[in-house]
Amino acid sequence: GENVEQHPSTLSVQEGDSAVIKCTYSDSASNYFPWYKQELGKGPQLIIDIRSNVGEKKDQRIAVTLNKTAKHFSLHITETQPEDSAVYFCAAPRAGTALIFGKGTTLSVSS
Amino acid sequence: DAMVIQNPRYQVTQFGKPVTLSCSQTLNHNVMYWYQQKSSQAPKLLFHYYDKDFNNEADTPDNFQSRRPNTSFCFLDIRSPGLGDAAMYLCATSRGWGGAYNEQFFGPGTRLTVL
Repeated sequence: GENVEQHPSTLSVQEGDSAVIKCTYSDSASNYFPWYKQELGKGPQLIIDIRSNVGEKKDQRIAVTLNKTAKHFSLHITETQPEDSAVYFCAAPRAGTALIFGKGTTLSVSS
Repeated sequence: DAMVIQNPRYQVTQFGKPVTLSCSQTLNHNVMYWYQQKSSQAPKLLFHYYDKDFNNEADTPDNFQSRRPNTSFCFLDIRSPGLGDAAMYLCATSRGWGGAYNEQFFGPGTRLTVL
């Protein structure tokens, strides 16, 4: 079945710096890769996703890149702000069905 | 706005006393999921319904049961809560499977405390 590895587990940056979180997956048939942001006491919220037919997708300060050959995808946040501080989860579908989540990255942005 | 609603947001129960958590959705999605999330951990899938078809994860304890009486509602029943069951319980929905249909929409969660 699908296995999703996420790194790093914690990331601390200064406001204005960039942050990068990486995930690898095992099922080469996976075709959908979302990133979720979870703030304290709330449910995860989708922030960006990418389909396997594209290599990069951007939405303002957030971008996701996908390398199908290497089976990894990354979240890039530019010009980080204190409100970006949260736990970020990557995910991939298990045999095309339910999502399997990475273990999460706690991002801390200090001003 | 279409959404996923969970009630209650906070639930306190006693050791061994059955408890039911509720989830409803206005998205008319086919799939509903229940996750358990403990502090500083990823959400752990307990089970899901695709329409009326129930799928239990292999490592979900027998103590956990679920019901989906209709498209909109799904319940999580914990028959005899133990201290280790204290966690955030998240409900999520998706349109289906395949590509962007996998996108999951999460509710705010129910924080369960077991005394």
